[in-house]
Amino acid sequence: EDKVVQSPLSLVVHEGDTVTLNCSYEVTNFRSLLWYKQEKKAPTFLFMLTSSGIEKKSGRLSSILDKKELFSILNITATQTGDSAIYLCAVETSNSGNTPLVFGKGTRLSVIA
Amino acid sequence: NAGVTQTPKFQVLKTGQSMTLQCAQDMNHNSMYWYRQDPGMGLRLIYYSASEGTTDKGEVPNGYNVSRLNKREFSLRLESAAPSQTSVYFCASSALRGTLHFGNGTRLTVT
Repeated sequence: EDKVVQSPLSLVVHEGDTVTLNCSYEVTNFRSLLWYKQEKKAPTFLFMLTSSGIEKKSGRLSSILDKKELFSILNITATQTGDSAIYLCAVETSNSGNTPLVFGKGTRLSVIA
Repeated sequence: NAGVTQTPKFQVLKTGQSMTLQCAQDMNHNSMYWYRQDPGMGLRLIYYSASEGTTDKGEVPNGYNVSRLNKREFSLRLESAAPSQTSVYFCASSALRGTLHFGNGTRLTVT
């Protein structure tokens, strides 16, 4: 059974801190790993990672994938209160057809002023 | 610029009542999905439709049915609601692979 595990499940930091969120996976026929941010409503797409060792970056957020050790990290530097959200990791497989993503349980990040 | 539209946004049902959650997307995506989200459980797939005319069960399909009415619309039906179905329901769509586009969710309470 495909599995995606995120840690920690929740995290409280102060503005300006740097945080690292973890995502490990055990799936057959890995294709890509995706990160989403969920504030009050719908999850919104952050990154898609397919190759090991290549960092994806968007402003203060960055992510990298290690396909040998089967994990990814999402880094947020100089956190702001607007970064408070649930961060979801999902893995896409190529088992058959358009196989749905497998999601982890998410990390709830709270950034306090 | 609608994207994925879900209705209703909120619903309260009594145990045993039925209802249909509606979802429509205007991005010409082939695939559509229904997820539920419960505290501490992440997003769990209920049903999905890889293309018009096909539907498949996900991780938690019991108590639900779906209809892929056409390429745009994918509805989720609860025939006899139970308190365990209290949740936030998200519809999503995708093109050939990868990135999901989500609707804003339906918050359902079953008493």
